[in-house]
Parts: sequence; C-alpha cells; structure tokens
Amino acid sequence: GEDVEQSLFLSVREGDSSVINCTYTDSSSTYLYWYKQEPGAGLQLLTYIFSNMDMKQDQRLTVLLNKKDKHLSLRIADTQTGDSAIYFCADLIGSGYALNFGKGTSLLVTP
Amino acid sequence: EAGVAQSPRYKIIEKRQSVAFWCNPISGHATLYWYQQILGQGPKLLIQFQNNGVVDDSQLPKDRFSAERLKGVDSTLKIQPAKLEDSAVYLCASSSSGRAGNEQFFGPGTRLTVL
Repeated sequence: GEDVEQSLFLSVREGDSSVINCTYTDSSSTYLYWYKQEPGAGLQLLTYIFSNMDMKQDQRLTVLLNKKDKHLSLRIADTQTGDSAIYFCADLIGSGYALNFGKGTSLLVTP
Repeated sequence: EAGVAQSPRYKIIEKRQSVAFWCNPISGHATLYWYQQILGQGPKLLIQFQNNGVVDDSQLPKDRFSAERLKGVDSTLKIQPAKLEDSAVYLCASSSSGRAGNEQFFGPGTRLTVL
C-alpha cells in the first residue's frame, strides 16, 4: 500500500503537550486514524478524522489535518505518564477499507 | 459486550513446523481482518473476510499461509511450514461492516516465536 511515515520516538515531561506527526502519500484517503498500543495490550482507536475536516478535538486530543501537505498530527494536552505507549497513524487501503499503518511513534512521558 | 478473542496468546515453534491461530470476532461483526505485526513495525494486513468470503488476500503469502472463516463467524489462520521471519504478533480485528469509517476492534494478539 501507500506509505504512512512517522517519527519513531518522542519524549516529553509530564504536564507538557505532546505532538506526534505523520505523513501519508495516498491523496484519496477518506479517513485517517490514530491508534494507541500499550505493552501487552491490543490496539485501541484513539480518534479519527474525515478528510473534509481540518481539525478535530476530543477532550485532551487534537487532530490536525493538512491535506495539501498530506500531514496529520496528534496533539495530547497535559500529557500524563499513562499516555506512554506507541501511537500509530493509519489510513485506509484496498476496496475493503483495511487499515494501513505507519511504523508507530513511541511516546515516553517522564515525571 | 465481549471483545475480539484470540488464542493462543503465545506460541513457540521450530522452523518448518506448522501452527494455527484462532479468532472469534465481536458478535454480529461481518468483517474480520488478520494483521501481522513484526517487532518495531506497524500491523500489516494479511487477509480480510466479509462474512465467509475473502475481500482482500493480496498480501497473504499463499505458499505457506492460509486462512478460513467457514461459517462467517470465527476464523483460523495457519502457517505451514513456518520460517524464522514469521516471528511476529498476529492480530485479529473485526468491524460491523467493511465500510470506510467503521471502527475496527482488535484482539490481544498471538505472539509467535519461530526458532
């Protein structure tokens, strides 16, 4: 499938904001997703954005979409140690709309 | 509501052996996916079912991997014979339908180690 690229690692202090970035290449992507994966746990959908939106806010999470640059970001406000996890950006591929994931960004939140 | 169930959770085999994984999706979900997640990478789709039919198996290594969903409910993924590079977590997911925007719910995965 088309490429989804993410930076691999981010470290922030507790209480700061975290910004995780993602770029994608498929201009026809209709939905873009952020998933969270904690050690030993399954993938959990955090939020998603439809391609006709520029921004979506959900409590501490803000998603920004720049379709021109094919850039997606996830901002986590007031980051907590419980937010430490791997965050995956994904778009949809194929006629069946399966998920096409990036390699994931490992977020480490330090006290 | 029960989530996606997978078994076993862990499996260790030697190369050239065979192995099978089982997945039971959320009740009523028509669409079932198998993803392979190699360490340090994102999950990659292996196969997608809509009820008991295959929607996409373009990335399934068909010389060694097979999957079925005979009654349109639970599914089995098999590897025969296994190679070292098959060491990964195998994730099963389901959604109510295969439409864009429908949330996919993931199981805990089966961690396979091939020695």
